Amino acid sequence: QKEVEQNSGPLSVPEGAIASLNCTYSDRVSQSFFWYRQYSGKSPELIMSIYSNGDKEDGRFTAQLNKASQYVSLLIRDSQPSDSATYLCAVNSGGFKTIFGAGTRLFVKA
Amino acid sequence: AAGVIQSPRHLIKEKRETATLKCYPIPRHDTVYWYQQGPGQDPQFLISFYEKMQSDKGSIPDRFSAQQFSDYHSELNMSSLELGDSALYFCASSLLAGGPNEQFFGPGTRLTVL
Repeated sequence: QKEVEQNSGPLSVPEGAIASLNCTYSDRVSQSFFWYRQYSGKSPELIMSIYSNGDKEDGRFTAQLNKASQYVSLLIRDSQPSDSATYLCAVNSGGFKTIFGAGTRLFVKA
Repeated sequence: AAGVIQSPRHLIKEKRETATLKCYPIPRHDTVYWYQQGPGQDPQFLISFYEKMQSDKGSIPDRFSAQQFSDYHSELNMSSLELGDSALYFCASSLLAGGPNEQFFGPGTRLTVL
């Protein structure tokens, strides 16, 4: 079992819809959770960080964390074609090492 | 805002040659990370440095070495290059001391081994 698991997709949603991206992790002591967006051939870009249970909203993005279920998700409201990218979930259990998931490819159809 | 700088952006080498990749972290960041990303793969952690000392080691081959200098820039040295070393190499930096360890990535170096 991988330490951080994501559905590879592709996830296809129409423009204006809500895209829901999910991530599970195996280390119960994980403390910090991150979502990165990566366009093809480009570097990962940090879009959300979350550290406590519940929801965290930033513009069109909402991160949701449930430590009991070891589950973190990212919702993108009013999806735009420019949101089409690979979304990487990353988990840190304290210290230096952050584990990345394999990423979910999102396609937003115009 | 200043970002992570990597050089060179593109590098072409022959098998068995050596390569040196450079990374300049965001000012005041105390930690540098190196990642390797092959086509269609997630970033694989290679090695990290905190305050110029190696802090963690991932799947870095013995042919590779890295260090962080007094000005906090870091270099990844790759020797006896193999075809399988062709990948994007990312450097990231973070402020670990008292912070949430958010990592910010540089633009990457695309290494092609022929």
